[in-house]
Amino acid sequence: EIVLTQSPGTLSLSPGERATLSCRASQSVSSTFLAWYQQKPGQAPRLLIYGASSRATGIPDRFSGSGSGTDFTLTISRLEPEDFAVYYCQQYSGSPWTFGQGTKVEIK
Amino acid sequence: EVQLVESGGGLVQPGGSLRLSCAASGFTFSNYWMSWVRQVPGKGLEWVANIKQDGSEKYYVDSVKGRFTISRDNAKNSLFLQMNSLRAEDTAMYYCARISMFGVGVYGMDVWGQGTTATVSS
Repeated sequence: EIVLTQSPGTLSLSPGERATLSCRASQSVSSTFLAWYQQKPGQAPRLLIYGASSRATGIPDRFSGSGSGTDFTLTISRLEPEDFAVYYCQQYSGSPWTFGQGTKVEIK
Repeated sequence: EVQLVESGGGLVQPGGSLRLSCAASGFTFSNYWMSWVRQVPGKGLEWVANIKQDGSEKYYVDSVKGRFTISRDNAKNSLFLQMNSLRAEDTAMYYCARISMFGVGVYGMDVWGQGTTATVSS
């Protein structure tokens, strides 16, 4: 099983600041098979990024994904009030599909 | 509008069964792999199962193998999760999700339902 470890657990930032979220895999993951999701309280997750770096439909360009191998990054260039949420990475390189434990981006 | 609506959750005793349903609308259901993902309250996401467009391939996380069965009825645009021999640790919100292919081997769960809660307790 591929374990995804996200860091930090919580990121305390102000609107307008840059957020950098990390996702590290226990073994190499093809960048094709890495996605990021956003989840707000009481809501279902929303797909942000697929294939490590491609934005899903309707996702603003302040969200960007990068990385390869075992290290992947989600960057939010300038935080908007609606971006404060929990973010999960997910791999589907092998079965079982797995998610990271999440990074909470909270208002400082 | 593309939509997934889950139902069938509830309170059940350990060892009991539940059948979750997911009604799809606004897209051609039979063209997509589908998935169930669960989330314990206050915790992270856990993938549970996937099913191919025609139901010929199914995959499960180890913790539910032999107890849960994913299935679909393309004529009724519906996805199901039959959960048997339920345990306290199966208590969670259960989401159905559509798996879209964005390129060769490039996937993402791009449509989610609002979830249905299964609580296993005596």
